[in-house]
Amino acid sequence: RKEVEQDPGPFNVPEGATVAFNCTYSNSASQSFFWYRQDCRKEPKLLMSVYSSGNEDGRFTAQLNRASQYISLLIRDSKLSDSATYLCVVNRGGSQGNLIFGKGTKLSVKP
Amino acid sequence: ETGVTQSPTHLIKTRGQQVTLRCSSQSGHNTVSWYQQALGQGPQFIFQYYREEENGRGNFPPRFSGLQFPNYSSELNVNALELDDSALYLCASSSPGGGNGEQYFGPGTRLTVT
Repeated sequence: RKEVEQDPGPFNVPEGATVAFNCTYSNSASQSFFWYRQDCRKEPKLLMSVYSSGNEDGRFTAQLNRASQYISLLIRDSKLSDSATYLCVVNRGGSQGNLIFGKGTKLSVKP
Repeated sequence: ETGVTQSPTHLIKTRGQQVTLRCSSQSGHNTVSWYQQALGQGPQFIFQYYREEENGRGNFPPRFSGLQFPNYSSELNVNALELDDSALYLCASSSPGGGNGEQYFGPGTRLTVT
């Protein structure tokens, strides 16, 4: 079993749709959690950190459930520019810990 | 932009050759991590350097080695290249205790082994 698992996708949605990505992680000692976005043939870029209390940044909402070892990302009112691969990422621990990436879920937003 | 730079952007090598990839970290960041991203996969951790010392290593063979310099820039060296080494190689920098473990990626070096 991979340490970070995501919905395989791809997700093809119309503009304006709400889309949710799910992710589970297996290492209960994991300390910090992120969603990264990666455009085709580009580097991953930090989209948002994920906290147990949940956090929101405009149209994006991230949630963490430590008991279930589950992370989610909700995108509301999706735009064409949201088309990308979304990577669920876990940091095992320590301020300099390495990142463990899921395989990514590709999102295509259509007009 | 993150301020992390990598060179070269693309590289083509032959099986059995050796390659050196370079990374300059963002100003103020003393930690550099290297990742390998095969097509259709998420990045996989190779190793991390902190204050010129290796500070953790993923499941990669010893022919993957690295260095960090006093200015915190870093090199990734791969010996005896294999076809499966073809991938995007990403470096990421981070600050001490900073950002809850957030890392900032360079644009990557795309390596093709023929």
